[in-house]
Amino acid sequence: DQQVKQNSPSLSVQEGRISILNCDYTNSMFDYFLWYKKYPAEGPTFLISISSIKDKNEDGRFTVFLNKSAKHLSLHIVPSQPGDSAVYFCAASSQGGSEKLVFGKGTKLTVNP
Amino acid sequence: ETGVTQTPRHLVMGMTNKKSLKCEQHLGHNAMYWYKQSAKKPLELMFVYSLEERVENNSVPSRFSPECPNSSHLFLHLHTLQPEDSALYLCASSLQGGYGYTFGSGTRLTVV
Repeated sequence: DQQVKQNSPSLSVQEGRISILNCDYTNSMFDYFLWYKKYPAEGPTFLISISSIKDKNEDGRFTVFLNKSAKHLSLHIVPSQPGDSAVYFCAASSQGGSEKLVFGKGTKLTVNP
Repeated sequence: ETGVTQTPRHLVMGMTNKKSLKCEQHLGHNAMYWYKQSAKKPLELMFVYSLEERVENNSVPSRFSPECPNSSHLFLHLHTLQPEDSALYLCASSLQGGYGYTFGSGTRLTVV
């Protein structure tokens, strides 16, 4: 049973527009969430995280929103750039992030020039 | 060298071969992980080592055998693999827990 779900396998966006990547989780014990970005032939790299005590965290063009009641989080990229084209993984952890990560399947983002 | 280094980057092996994947980190982390990434599947956690002790083995077939001789090195020994074992194998390390994972670039394994 998948505890972290990314239901969109792919997303295509025009350069300069907003990219919104979604993630749902089922385990109510999760209280720390992360987004990783992965280019082909490279390992995932950390992008941004959010603790369940917050509902928003912003870092430059990247913002993560958390809706605890809906068990849903989203990553917004504004404005999207061609270099953002990659696979984005949502991950979750419990006990304030002290437990191991559980990953979603990933969403492949393509930003078209 | 900084970060998490995995070797080899690519490996093609026959079903009767024995090979090993290597992972090395010099970040001062004390937990190391093996993940498997197959197409259209989530990252699958295979093994977790914490303070050089295996703390998790997620029902991985015995043809995969991990080894953690010290906190900086992690190996995955492979023998009599099946074609469905072809995947990207990722190593990661952290200071225990879920934050601060650093991944290696992975080994692309093809079993023929």
